[in-house]
Amino acid sequence: QVQLQQWGAGLLKPSETLSLTCAVYGGSFSGYYWSWIRQPPGKGLEWIGEINHSGSTNYNPSLKSRVTISVDTSKNQFSLKLSSVTAADTAVYYCARDWIVVVPAAIGNNWFDPWGQGTLVTVSS
Amino acid sequence: EIVLTQSPATLSLSPGERATLSCRASQSVSSYLAWYQQKPGQAPRLLIYDASNRATGIPARFSGSGSGTDFTLTISSLEPEDFAVYYCQQRSNFGQGTRLEIK
Repeated sequence: QVQLQQWGAGLLKPSETLSLTCAVYGGSFSGYYWSWIRQPPGKGLEWIGEINHSGSTNYNPSLKSRVTISVDTSKNQFSLKLSSVTAADTAVYYCARDWIVVVPAAIGNNWFDPWGQGTLVTVSS
Repeated sequence: EIVLTQSPATLSLSPGERATLSCRASQSVSSYLAWYQQKPGQAPRLLIYDASNRATGIPARFSGSGSGTDFTLTISSLEPEDFAVYYCQQRSNFGQGTRLEIK
C-alpha cells in the first residue's frame, strides 16, 4: 500500500522560498504523476502542480512564475519550491499521487489518492 | 478553466438520514469527476472517481452519479463519522466544498 510522507520548513518570512519534500513508500513511483495541493486555513483546496518520474511538469497558471517541482527517482521523492512567499501562501500543503487517465477529451481525467499527511506552512514577519 | 460549483454550502442532517450533495461544472466534463471527504485536521480522502466508481475501502453507502455538467454524491444513511466537508474535483479544479453537519 502506497504511503506518502512529507516534510519541510513550517515557518517562513515574506520573500523567502518555501521548500517541501514528499517521499513515496510501498509502491511504484514511475508510471504516475505526483502532485502538490494546498489549503489555506479554513478554505478550500488549490492544485499547485504535478510531475512524473521523467520530470515532466504541469503547473497552476496562477502560481507558475514562482513554482518549481522536481523529482529524485533514486529516492522515490519529489519536491516543491515556491519562491517569494507572502502571507497569502500560508496554508497546509499536501502531496498526493495523481492518477491521470488518458482520455479522448481535452478536459482530461484524474484523481488524487493517496495524500500525504500535510504540512502547515506559515508566512509571517 | 472549468469552474465547479457545489451546493448547498452547508447541509444539516441527522444520523440515519440520506444526504444528497451536488456539484455543477461550468462546461461538460463527461464522467471525469471525483469526490473527496475531509475531516478536521486530516488530509482529504478519495471517495469516488469517474463520477460513480467507489475508491478502495469506501463503504457502499457512498454513491456517485451524473455526467456532463451535473453530478451528485449520495450518502444513503448517515453514520456519525460521515459528518465532514466534501469536495468535488475535475483535473486541476476543485469545488468550494459542502460542509455536512449534524442537525
